[in-house]
Amino acid sequence: AQSVAQPEDQVNVAEGNPLTVKCTYSVSGNPYLFWYVQYPNRGLQFLLKYITGDNLVKGSYGFEAEFNKSQTSFHLKKPSALVSDSALYFCAVRDRERDDKIIFGKGTRLHILP
Amino acid sequence: NAGVTQTPKFRILKIGQSMTLQCTQDMNHNYMYWYRQDPGMGLKLIYYSVGAGITDKGEVPNGYNVSRSTTEDFPLRLELAAPSQTSVYFCASSYDFGNTIYFGEGSWLTVV
Repeated sequence: AQSVAQPEDQVNVAEGNPLTVKCTYSVSGNPYLFWYVQYPNRGLQFLLKYITGDNLVKGSYGFEAEFNKSQTSFHLKKPSALVSDSALYFCAVRDRERDDKIIFGKGTRLHILP
Repeated sequence: NAGVTQTPKFRILKIGQSMTLQCTQDMNHNYMYWYRQDPGMGLKLIYYSVGAGITDKGEVPNGYNVSRSTTEDFPLRLELAAPSQTSVYFCASSYDFGNTIYFGEGSWLTVV
């Protein structure tokens, strides 16, 4: 069973508009959830994570994510997009059914249009 | 701030050749990983290690081997390279499974 899903291959947003990159998960127990960003020809960089506590998690570069247990979602958000936010974004979950390893989604390419 | 360092950055291999991708980290992390990234497929875990002397298979281990003789180093060996191994390879490390994973810059491998 797929542990994490990113339903959109690509998201286009005009600069200055709010952005949302979607992620849903399906793991048992209390999930550890992560967002990573990959700029062209670079490795992945950590943005933020949810382990416990406040459902709204704030991370790097003005990004935040909201953990919604009833909808099993962990969408990434930013109030005002920048052209420099254009990158590939990965949602990841710690899957306790797979020996606790981190499972990555397929990624969503975010295009911020000037 | 070195973090995770992997070499080479680019490599072209002929079918049947072998090579080793080197990876070292200076954060004293026990956990290390090798992923491959194919377009539209996200990241697939090849092998991982939870400490020196301990390695285990990930999702796509066939055609690869690893070793972990020290905490710092986690080389990935490709034996008998095949076109299906054309990919971008990332080495990574973390304190444990539940913590932030730090990635290297990637190694672009083409098998022709």
